[in-house]
Amino acid sequence: DVKVTQSSRYLVKRTGEKVFLECVQDMDHENMFWYRQDPGLGLRLIYFSYDVKMKEKGDIPEGYSVSREKKERFSLILESASTNQTSMYLCASSLLGTSGGISYEQYFGPGTRLTVT
Amino acid sequence: LAKTTQPISMDSYEGQEVNITCSHNNIATNDYITWYQQFPSQGPRFIIQGYKTKVTNEVASLFIPADRKSSTLSLPRVSLSDTAVYYCLVGDAGGYNKLIFGAGTRLAVHP
Repeated sequence: DVKVTQSSRYLVKRTGEKVFLECVQDMDHENMFWYRQDPGLGLRLIYFSYDVKMKEKGDIPEGYSVSREKKERFSLILESASTNQTSMYLCASSLLGTSGGISYEQYFGPGTRLTVT
Repeated sequence: LAKTTQPISMDSYEGQEVNITCSHNNIATNDYITWYQQFPSQGPRFIIQGYKTKVTNEVASLFIPADRKSSTLSLPRVSLSDTAVYYCLVGDAGGYNKLIFGAGTRLAVHP
């Protein structure tokens, strides 16, 4: 079974702090994703990566950056946390899709619930 | 990017078949339809994916009419453990387009 792990289940940070969220997958997947989930809004894609050191913006990249130095690890960085970044953050991974693009069969981690005060 | 519309919530009873319909009027030629299930405090779980007609696996069936402007996820004989949020996702499986999960359908299965 694919296992996607996230560094913390719950995190509380103060406004202005730099926040690192770590994600590790053990299935040698090429693609990795970061989403946030808010009530009534479903999941929204922040960033994704289809290879080491490669990244692409998702739907809501503002205020976030990512890092992928190793294939199995994908980090989400909040450079200066703000209260509107309080959310559930979900990491996912997948194989490459058909034609080398995004696969829709993604495997998600348990999530990190981040609270910014 | 195709927008999807699903019912916000549905109720059912154990043992019944549940059909959740997703509308995607602007679906593009290269778009696939994918459904996920999510339990509280867990990440979504892939259920099924299709392009046209009917797809079936051990968990569900997916029905897609010829015009592909909608799709129906069918869950046979639901149990209490099927209580979850179900998301319909439409997008180009071969490209790098942004993926958007909508608000989903909250299914409640009652005894």
